[in-house]
Amino acid sequence: QKEVEQNSGPLSVPEGAIASLNCTYSDRGSQSFFWYRQYSGKSPELIMSIYSNGDKEDGRFTAQLNKASQYVSLLIRDSQPSDSATYLCAVKTGGFKTIFGAGTRLFVKA
Amino acid sequence: GAVVSQHPSRVICKSGTSVKIECRSLDFQATTMFWYRQFPKQSLMLMATSNEGSKATYEQGVEKDKFLINHASLTLSTLTVTSAHPEDSSFYICSAEAGASSYNEQFFGPGTRLTVL
Repeated sequence: QKEVEQNSGPLSVPEGAIASLNCTYSDRGSQSFFWYRQYSGKSPELIMSIYSNGDKEDGRFTAQLNKASQYVSLLIRDSQPSDSATYLCAVKTGGFKTIFGAGTRLFVKA
Repeated sequence: GAVVSQHPSRVICKSGTSVKIECRSLDFQATTMFWYRQFPKQSLMLMATSNEGSKATYEQGVEKDKFLINHASLTLSTLTVTSAHPEDSSFYICSAEAGASSYNEQFFGPGTRLTVL
């Protein structure tokens, strides 16, 4: 079992829809969870961090964390073509090591 | 947000030469820096973790004598690809963390695209 798992996609949504990106992790001692966006040919950019169970909203982005289910998700409301990118889930384990998922490719159709 | 720079952004070199890539944290002190490699359409691969003033910790399968890492100060880490070969052509990305905490985020540099002819 991979330490951080994401569906590779591509996830295709129409413009204006909600994009839902999911991630599961294996280390129950993990305390910090991050979402990064990576455009093709560019380096990852941090868009959200979440540390407690529940939802955290920042503009059109909402991160959701459920530690009991070892599950973290990212919702993108009113998706725009400019949101088309690969989204990386990252989990900081109990040993302070950050593990990145392989990423989910999102394609927003105009 | 925290800013991490990398230099150069792009380098083309001949096979057998060495290439040095610099990674700097511009507005914070980076106690830990990371070096990643990414091939086209593939995921990030962690190469090594470096802490200021100590030897880097390399991931399994990464040759430490080929990929020399120096973390000389709290704002600078360098990666030297020695005797580069075409198979070393890749996108090299550094990232930095401020402090040893379970809550610190990694901030990435813009990356260096290496092409070895």
